[in-house]
Amino acid sequence: AQKITQTQPGMFVQEKEAVTLDCTYDTSDPSYGLFWYKQPSSGEMIFLIYQGSYDQQNATEGRYSLNFQKARKSANLVISASQLGDSAMYFCAMREGRRSNAGNMLTFGGGTRLMVKP
Amino acid sequence: EPEVTQTPSHQVTQMGQEVILRCVPISNHLYFYWYRQILGQKVEFLVSFYNNEISEKSEIFDDQFSVERPDGSNFTLKIRSTKLEDSAMYFCASSLYRTSQRRAQYFGPGTRLTVL
Repeated sequence: AQKITQTQPGMFVQEKEAVTLDCTYDTSDPSYGLFWYKQPSSGEMIFLIYQGSYDQQNATEGRYSLNFQKARKSANLVISASQLGDSAMYFCAMREGRRSNAGNMLTFGGGTRLMVKP
Repeated sequence: EPEVTQTPSHQVTQMGQEVILRCVPISNHLYFYWYRQILGQKVEFLVSFYNNEISEKSEIFDDQFSVERPDGSNFTLKIRSTKLEDSAMYFCASSLYRTSQRRAQYFGPGTRLTVL
């Protein structure tokens, strides 16, 4: 089974509108972290936002917020007031466990390509 | 703001040749990683490295791959005998591990490896 599922391969949004990118995850570990990364056409991976499984509140970072619904195992990224520079691939990723010495690998979803229309 | 750097940005090699991809992680970070992304596909974990040894590796990371931290700043990925299917973007990442704080991994810009 896929650990991270992003069901939207591509999305369009009008500039200045808000957009939600979906991410569902699968884990039996009670301790995990969820991450969103942005990959522009230049190829680098830019960390956007993090949500821990025990966090009581949804994470926010500027125009990015995470709609975390633990019972549904979803961690959707909301981008408010879209800008042309938001056009990129967006990846949801998960890290499971809290082993003290392990590096904790990230498992990535397939990504969503967001295109912002002027 | 500190960042992860990688060299070269693009490497072209012949099948069967050895390549070394280099990374300089963020200076106070303790955990180091390599990931790869085949064109158009998802990012895949290869290996993580802590305290001068491999802490996790995926099934992709077979005997053809090795990692090393030869000094206090560099972190390298070696592919001994490259195959066509090794063509991908290779990302180095680093993180500062804290049990109760954000555990983001910060990625470098990647090295695009092309095996001919």
